[in-house]
Amino acid sequence: QVQLQESGPGLVKPSQTLSLTCTVSGGSISSGDYYWSWIRQPPGKGLEWIGYIYYSGSTYYNPSLKSRVTISVDTSKNQFSLKLSSVTAADTAVYYCARVSLPYRFDYWGQGTLVTVSS
Amino acid sequence: SYVLTQPPSVSVAPGQTARITCGGNNIGSKSVHWYQQKPGQAPVLVVYDDSDRPSGIPERFSGSNSGNTATLTISRVEAGDEADYYCQVWDSSSDHHVVFGGGTKLTVL
Repeated sequence: QVQLQESGPGLVKPSQTLSLTCTVSGGSISSGDYYWSWIRQPPGKGLEWIGYIYYSGSTYYNPSLKSRVTISVDTSKNQFSLKLSSVTAADTAVYYCARVSLPYRFDYWGQGTLVTVSS
Repeated sequence: SYVLTQPPSVSVAPGQTARITCGGNNIGSKSVHWYQQKPGQAPVLVVYDDSDRPSGIPERFSGSNSGNTATLTISRVEAGDEADYYCQVWDSSSDHHVVFGGGTKLTVL
């Protein structure tokens, strides 16, 4: 059974960079059959796709966030990471990591981690 | 960019059938996936590729997709089905973009 777990600071100051890591267990991130993704959900609002990465390092980002987002992968640690720069209060959300099975469905999710942007 | 439209809310009595729609331009040509999200929990995939169910999802959950509307149908609704439901597609016309609908709150009366 694949499991995903997000980790990182729960509080980030405005204008700084949000950094989160997702650790995958129960399966190899290098298997090649899946993409690995970040999704967020502001309090009381809907889901927003941030982007995803293939084990080779190929990335695809939401155009609305593309200028501020970097997703990377560390196959040796079976982890992938999210960096979101120049954050504002609008970036306050629960951030989920998820596995992407083709054709592009999210079949396993982490429990989510709340990140608050505040001074 | 591609837009998916869901009704904000749907209400149904226990034992009845709930239908949650997801509208999009020619959505029938895309694979639609549906997620259930209960308060404080991560979303769970309940229907994928329009009408398939992951292992462990009850047969009461089914889906269809044609024309400009995809539908999630929940038969014999139970109190435990009360949740937010989201549809999702992959927009192949753009650069590998994933799109979610705005979500529908299912209330069991």
